[in-house]
Amino acid sequence: KQEVTQIPAALSVPEGENLVLNCSFTDSAIYNLQWFRQDPGKGLTSLLLIQSSQREQTSGRLNASLDKSSGRSTLYIAASQPGDSATYLCAVRGGGTGGFKTIFGAGTRLFVKA
Amino acid sequence: GAGVSQSPRYKVAKRGQDVALRCDPISGHVSLFWYQQALGQGPEFLTYFQNEAQLDKSGLPSDRFFAERPEGSVSTLKIQRTQQEDSAVYLCASSLNGGTNYGYTFGSGTRLTVV
Repeated sequence: KQEVTQIPAALSVPEGENLVLNCSFTDSAIYNLQWFRQDPGKGLTSLLLIQSSQREQTSGRLNASLDKSSGRSTLYIAASQPGDSATYLCAVRGGGTGGFKTIFGAGTRLFVKA
Repeated sequence: GAGVSQSPRYKVAKRGQDVALRCDPISGHVSLFWYQQALGQGPEFLTYFQNEAQLDKSGLPSDRFFAERPEGSVSTLKIQRTQQEDSAVYLCASSLNGGTNYGYTFGSGTRLTVV
């Protein structure tokens, strides 16, 4: 059974700092990995989607890497801003789940102080 | 539509009441998923549709939960005889098709509170 773990559970940083959020998964036979952002009381916004054949994806100040063999992904946020404050969720599709399900981690709650 | 639309946005139900939650996926999206998110947790898979076919319902927590997508577009998640542990945010997501090249687009969710 696929399990997804995110570390740290919560993070508070001053504005301008570069930071890394970690995601690990137990079954490396995944199809893709997706990072989402969730603001309080809101739905999920997709940030980056990495296919199993890819090593990384970039969008603006965000960079996500994938090491499938070790079951790890990182989300790098450069020059953090107060508007980045949200919960960041990592989700993997596949990996012993029948291929259709996407399994989520519990998220990292980020607070960027002005 | 431009995004995934869910209604109602909020629902308060008395224990024992039946509720129906609606999801309008992005037009043309073949795949539709329902997730349940408890406070402070990541979303948990409930069920998956490919067009009108329910291909996986292994995440539905009990036989009080029922989902349908009769015409392959709008989907309804029904919960019968609601209980307090059903209180959660119910999220719907759609994807262009079942291919793994595509990610999910989520709606804003329905927050269900059972009192």
